[in-house]
Amino acid sequence: NAGVTQTPKFQVLKTGQSMTLQCAQDMNHEYMSWYRQDPGMGLRLIHYSVGAGITDQGEVPNGYNVSRSTTEDFPLRLLSAAPSQTSVYFCASSAGGMNTEAFFGQGTRLTVV
Amino acid sequence: AQKVTQAQTEISVVEKEDVTLDCVYETRDTTYYLFWYKQPPSGELVFLIRRNSFDEQNEISGRYSWNFQKSTSSFNFTITASQVVDSAVYFCALGQAGTALIFGKGTTLSVSS
Repeated sequence: NAGVTQTPKFQVLKTGQSMTLQCAQDMNHEYMSWYRQDPGMGLRLIHYSVGAGITDQGEVPNGYNVSRSTTEDFPLRLLSAAPSQTSVYFCASSAGGMNTEAFFGQGTRLTVV
Repeated sequence: AQKVTQAQTEISVVEKEDVTLDCVYETRDTTYYLFWYKQPPSGELVFLIRRNSFDEQNEISGRYSWNFQKSTSSFNFTITASQVVDSAVYFCALGQAGTALIFGKGTTLSVSS
């Protein structure tokens, strides 16, 4: 039972490079979301999706793009990485939005130099 | 707008002490859910409890207990007889319709032997 799978686990980027953080879930969950975790800041919502084809911005969306073409996948794209995007990124999925717990991936530690 | 405040940034206790982690939330909705998650040093996020806005009964699970009070918009978490394995970052979160969970900044609990 894989749950929520994030890849890669670690990544180092140079400023200006682009990359995609992958997130896949095998629980047929409608809701998926991306958070970033920084020291003292908790988990801040970047983007979320309530179903295939539907995405919306969270608290800190600038510099990130998302799409949801399938129920299973919710990739997060950094178009031009900046040092301020150095963080740990978590992907989460849940079955019913507000009233079910979110299941999290193991996280991606991204460093932008 | 919805918001979750965990005023305690860090708490240090000695084993067997009881400790309470505070959580205060803000929302205009009458229907919402509250959550607690644990993040041990290994980094994964572990679901602890979910509570809906219509159920103010306190809940106890082993050494863990939760006190939900709508009158003060609080959802506090108490660990009785703390153990070293309880050392972690604890997050309180708010769930509402149509959006992803909103997290507080977390409380780091250190339990020493």
